[in-house]
Amino acid sequence: RKEVEQDPGPFNVPEGATVAFNCTYSNSASQSFFWYRQDCRKEPKLLMSVYSSGNEDGRFTAQLNRASQYISLLIRDSKLSDSATYLCVVKTSYDKVIFGPGTSLSVIP
Amino acid sequence: GAVVSQHPSWVICKSGTSVKIECRSLDFQATTMFWYRQFPKQSLMLMATSNEGSKATYEQGVEKDKFLINHASLTLSTLTVTSAHPEDSSFYICSAQDRNLHEQYFGPGTRLTVT
Repeated sequence: RKEVEQDPGPFNVPEGATVAFNCTYSNSASQSFFWYRQDCRKEPKLLMSVYSSGNEDGRFTAQLNRASQYISLLIRDSKLSDSATYLCVVKTSYDKVIFGPGTSLSVIP
Repeated sequence: GAVVSQHPSWVICKSGTSVKIECRSLDFQATTMFWYRQFPKQSLMLMATSNEGSKATYEQGVEKDKFLINHASLTLSTLTVTSAHPEDSSFYICSAQDRNLHEQYFGPGTRLTVT
């Protein structure tokens, strides 16, 4: 089993739609969790950290369920500029960072 | 925000030659730098973790004699791909961890093509 798994995608959604990405991790000792976005042929950029209490940043909401080892990202009112690959990232207690395989999102006019 | 640079941004080399890639943290000190490789349509794969002043820790399956990592200062790490082969063609990305904030910042990546 991979250490971090994500929905395979791709997700093709119309502008204005709400889309949710799921991620699971296998190491119960993982300490920190993040969502990154990566545009084609570019480096990943931090989108948001994920906290147990859940956190929101504008149209983006991230949730963490430690018991289920599950992380989610919800994007509301999708924009064309949201088209990218979304990477679930988990950091272990040894500061080792594991990237999920990513889920591709295309927002269509 | 913190800035990490990589040089070169792209390089084409002949099979059998060596290529050095530099990763610099421009406005913060990084005790730890990470090197990743990404093949087309795949996620980032951690190659090695580099701590300033000590030997790098390589992930399973990554040849340390082929991918030489040097982290001589708190702002510079280098990755040298020795005796490059076409299968080494990839997107190499470094990240630097701020020693105070423990956040990771990514460089823009280096696209290596071996002919």
